[in-house]
Amino acid sequence: EIVLTQSPGTLSLSPGERATLSCRTSQSVSSSYLAWYQQKPGQAPRLLIYGASNRATGIPDRFSGSGSGTDFTLTISRLEPEDFAVYYCQHYGSSPLFTFGPGTTVDI
Amino acid sequence: QITLKESGPTLVKPTQTLTLTCTFSGFSLSTSGVGVGWIRQAPGKALEWLAVVYWNDDQRYSPSLKRRLTITKDTSKNQVVLTMTNMDPVDTTTYYCARTQWRYCSGDGCYFGFVDYWGQGALVTVSS
Repeated sequence: EIVLTQSPGTLSLSPGERATLSCRTSQSVSSSYLAWYQQKPGQAPRLLIYGASNRATGIPDRFSGSGSGTDFTLTISRLEPEDFAVYYCQHYGSSPLFTFGPGTTVDI
Repeated sequence: QITLKESGPTLVKPTQTLTLTCTFSGFSLSTSGVGVGWIRQAPGKALEWLAVVYWNDDQRYSPSLKRRLTITKDTSKNQVVLTMTNMDPVDTTTYYCARTQWRYCSGDGCYFGFVDYWGQGALVTVSS
């Protein structure tokens, strides 16, 4: 079983600042199987990044993903007010088939 | 436009069986590589994957809940149904249905297992 760990648990920043979120996997994984989601209160998650670094349709270019092996990063270059949310990483392919991290909250 | 919507009871009693239906539009579950699954989220908690059914009728389940879950698809109705037996108060949570890509290939490569569309979620409470 692959376990995903996200850090920090909470990131307190201001609009305009850069946010760097970490996702670590308990064993090396292919970046093709790593995705990131954003979830705002009362809403369903939204796909941001697939394949570790590919932005989903309609996602602003201030969001970027990178990483390989066991270390993956989601970067928000300049925080907008609507970016304050919870962010989850997700891996596909082991058991369980879909594994989500515990989330990082980005708040003001 | 792709949409998914969950429907089912909002309240079930302990030991009862929960049946949730996902009705979707804008895509077909007979398209190669497409899957529809269920993911749940307790208040203030992380996402937990439950089950998925793929275009080829391959059904996969969370190992921890496998004995209690059944997922089926009706391609002609654009529906996926999840049943969960022996409901317990700890199963009180929001249940999402979602579309997933088993494999998506573009010019840059192939990518696997991301969830690209979600329903709005259905809150189910288990209480006597």
